[in-house]
Amino acid sequence: DAGITQSPRYKITETGRQVTLMCHQTWSHSYMFWYRQDLGHGLRLIYYSAAADITDKGEVPDGYVVSRSKTENFPLTLESATRSQTSVYFCASSHLAGGPNTQYFGPGTRLTVL
Amino acid sequence: AQKITQTQPGMFVQEKEAVTLDCTYDTSDPSYGLFWYKQPSSGEMIFLIYQGSYDQQNATEGRYSLNFQKARKSANLVISASQLGDSAMYFCAMREGRGWNSSTGANSKLTFGKGITLSVRP
Repeated sequence: DAGITQSPRYKITETGRQVTLMCHQTWSHSYMFWYRQDLGHGLRLIYYSAAADITDKGEVPDGYVVSRSKTENFPLTLESATRSQTSVYFCASSHLAGGPNTQYFGPGTRLTVL
Repeated sequence: AQKITQTQPGMFVQEKEAVTLDCTYDTSDPSYGLFWYKQPSSGEMIFLIYQGSYDQQNATEGRYSLNFQKARKSANLVISASQLGDSAMYFCAMREGRGWNSSTGANSKLTFGKGITLSVRP
């Protein structure tokens, strides 16, 4: 029972490079999310998706691109990484949108942009 | 205005005592849900407890209970009989909107507070 996985777990890159963070879930959950966690900010939503090919911006989408061609995958791409994108990135998924349905989180990817 | 406010500085509690972690929220939507998550030093996010805006009773899950005061817009987490393993960061989060399904995902989003660090002393 793999659940929700993220890769890589740690990544160091340089300013201006493209970076893709992967997220994979085995539950066939409809809804998937990307958050970034920074000290003093809690978790902030970057993008979310209601189903394959349905995505929308969250609170802090600038500089990020997502795609969802398959239900189980939700990659996040930093097209041209900046130092301000140094953060811990969490992917999450949920079966249903509302009610008591919680989001299940992956282990996180720690990204450092030099 | 912030939707979720967690303003307590780092909290300390003696082992076996109870502790309350504060959370206030702001929404004009009559339908919403409130969540608490725990993040230990290992980094994973662990769901603890949920309270719906229409729930008549305060939610409880083992040693966790939620003190829900709707008129005050507060949803404080109470941890009874603290254990050393409770040392972690705790996040309050809110989801707004009705319905268990959403074609766009608009009511699936969570808004998080900045978190509170809890340290349990032996």
